[in-house]
Amino acid sequence: DAGVIQSPRHEVTEMGQEVTLRCKPISGHNSLFWYRQTMMRGLELLIYFNNNVPIDDSGMPEDRFSAKMPNASFSTLKIQPSEPRDSAVYFCASSPTSGGYNEQFFGPGTRLTVL
Amino acid sequence: QKEVEQDPGPLSVPEGAIVSLNCTYSNSAFQYFMWYRQYSRKGPELLMYTYSSGNKEDGRFTAQVDKSSKYISLFIRDSQPSDSATYLCATVFGGFKTIFGAGTRLFVKA
Repeated sequence: DAGVIQSPRHEVTEMGQEVTLRCKPISGHNSLFWYRQTMMRGLELLIYFNNNVPIDDSGMPEDRFSAKMPNASFSTLKIQPSEPRDSAVYFCASSPTSGGYNEQFFGPGTRLTVL
Repeated sequence: QKEVEQDPGPLSVPEGAIVSLNCTYSNSAFQYFMWYRQYSRKGPELLMYTYSSGNKEDGRFTAQVDKSSKYISLFIRDSQPSDSATYLCATVFGGFKTIFGAGTRLFVKA
């Protein structure tokens, strides 16, 4: 298996623009997570999907952030409009199950820079 | 107070040294404790996990949990330059919500 795939790997955009990050989880995994990592705040959970259904979006910082999972093999995280403080590395992770220690398999991340 | 506290370092050691990485946590209800390793410009990967208190060993790595003091440790024996990475402690809440520490950057010098 290729692991979790994320695109793009790098994104540079200007304030106010719409940004869409994409994720393909590992086949057969039924849980998907979006994280944001910054030096100041570390790794933060933004949203969690189970069987394509959003279960917990309490970590989504503002209404400018939205996430979808239309099917088991694809998810998007959208920021509209983007702001400089959204600059971070965004990770997608998938897990074969929930509960227990919930091992998560992370993608390589998307490094977002908002100018 | 953060739910999981971890000194961000950096920690620099010579090759062959024993490394001790530590975290504290606040909620006594946490049961699973994990260590993730993150190489530069990569996503984190699970290194080890433990359930409740006790030790778990895997090769050169030992994970230790002391629930009485809410203390989590990772020991690396005979450290190698390839161990240079950021190590994140973590715990799980509510069956899915993984809470990560800030991560400790480790440098092992050849």
